[in-house]
Amino acid sequence: AQKITQTQPGMFVQEKEAVTLDCTYDTSDPSYGLFWYKQPSSGEMIFLIYQGSYDQQNATEGRYSLNFQKARKSANLVISASQLGDSAMYFCAMRVFTGNQFYFGTGTSLTVIP
Amino acid sequence: AAGVIQSPRHLIKEKRETATLKCYPIPRHDTVYWYQQGPGQDPQFLISFYEKMQSDKGSIPDRFSAQQFSDYHSELNMSSLELGDSALYFCASSFLRGGYSTDTQYFGPGTRLTVL
Repeated sequence: AQKITQTQPGMFVQEKEAVTLDCTYDTSDPSYGLFWYKQPSSGEMIFLIYQGSYDQQNATEGRYSLNFQKARKSANLVISASQLGDSAMYFCAMRVFTGNQFYFGTGTSLTVIP
Repeated sequence: AAGVIQSPRHLIKEKRETATLKCYPIPRHDTVYWYQQGPGQDPQFLISFYEKMQSDKGSIPDRFSAQQFSDYHSELNMSSLELGDSALYFCASSFLRGGYSTDTQYFGPGTRLTVL
């Protein structure tokens, strides 16, 4: 069975600071993908970043980077230089090669303080 | 760039009524997924279609059905609505390159269903 765990229900960060959102996963499938999505209060789900299980380097997309530690089964999202617009719910998700659906964590609510 | 389109964006229904949600995937995407997100919860997978055939089934109630049409749009039909069906319903689409786990799912804006 696949499982995603996000242990931080809520996080606060000062504007312009960096913040790390934790995500651990569990799967026995050797081939999988890890994703982060942002959900603002308006409700839409915005794709941020992707990491493949065979990727050697950590993924980066602008101010977003994914700290992938395969042995620890963790895929933490790092947001650098936080902005007020980063305040949102953040979901970690996983897809395994043998299936199409995404498994989501319970999310982390991030609040950026001016 | 074109995104996933969902209609309607908001829907209010009475208990025991029926509802139909529509999803238009990103052009050239061949796979559609439906998710249900209750208040304060993470999205739960309902069902997916690849090339108009059901490919995966999750926690979709028997009262719900879905299909994907020849133009790749999909509809989620919900009957005998219950108060607990009130949720945000997302459609997502992707292009399955041989089923690789690299295929990102792009979500639509969601349909907010309220059952009174």
